[in-house]
Amino acid sequence: EDQVTQSPEALRLQEGESSSLNCSYTVSGLRGLFWYRQDPGKGPEFLFTLYSAGEEKEKERLKATLTKKESFLHITAPKPEDSATYLCAVLISGGYNKLIFGAGTRLAVHP
Amino acid sequence: DGGITQSPKYLFRKEGQNVTLSCEQNLNHDAMYWYRQDPGQGLRLIYYSQIVNDFQKGDIAEGYSVSREKKESFPLTVTSAQKNPTAFYLCASSVSPPAGEGYGYTFGSGTRLTVV
Repeated sequence: EDQVTQSPEALRLQEGESSSLNCSYTVSGLRGLFWYRQDPGKGPEFLFTLYSAGEEKEKERLKATLTKKESFLHITAPKPEDSATYLCAVLISGGYNKLIFGAGTRLAVHP
Repeated sequence: DGGITQSPKYLFRKEGQNVTLSCEQNLNHDAMYWYRQDPGQGLRLIYYSQIVNDFQKGDIAEGYSVSREKKESFPLTVTSAQKNPTAFYLCASSVSPPAGEGYGYTFGSGTRLTVV
């Protein structure tokens, strides 16, 4: 069964304390892995797409990496405005663009 | 600006009542989706549509219905058969078939449905 697991469920950081979020997946026919940011009461906002093992992408304090079994979202020197839920999703082979989502990691960054 | 508009933002449903959630996009995307989000769970697919006048059940379609009469619109009806409808509902769209970097989903801002 295709599955996406994110860890930890929740993470509390002090401002400036770098850390990583994990997204592990067990799917057949990975076509891409997506990271989204979701603020409370809002829809997810696209951050990155990764397509192949070894690929890395960066945006401000965020860096996403991909291996054959998992992806990491590294947060360097986070600020309180980085507080949000971060969702990972994988696009799998099939008849349509099916995204399978993990449950997300709730990140809280305190000053 | 192109995007997806969901309305209303908040919706209250009485027992035994059908309600319809609106989703409109002006991104010229062929594919549209409805997801349900519950606390501590990943987004779960309710219905999807790859083209006008065609739609398919997702993983949790029971108690829901949709229509796709126009490319821009994909309304979701939560029927009285859905026993636990309280949740956050998200509509999304994408290009179809996938083409290059841009075939991730674009999401609306969501509708929070509560049974009263």
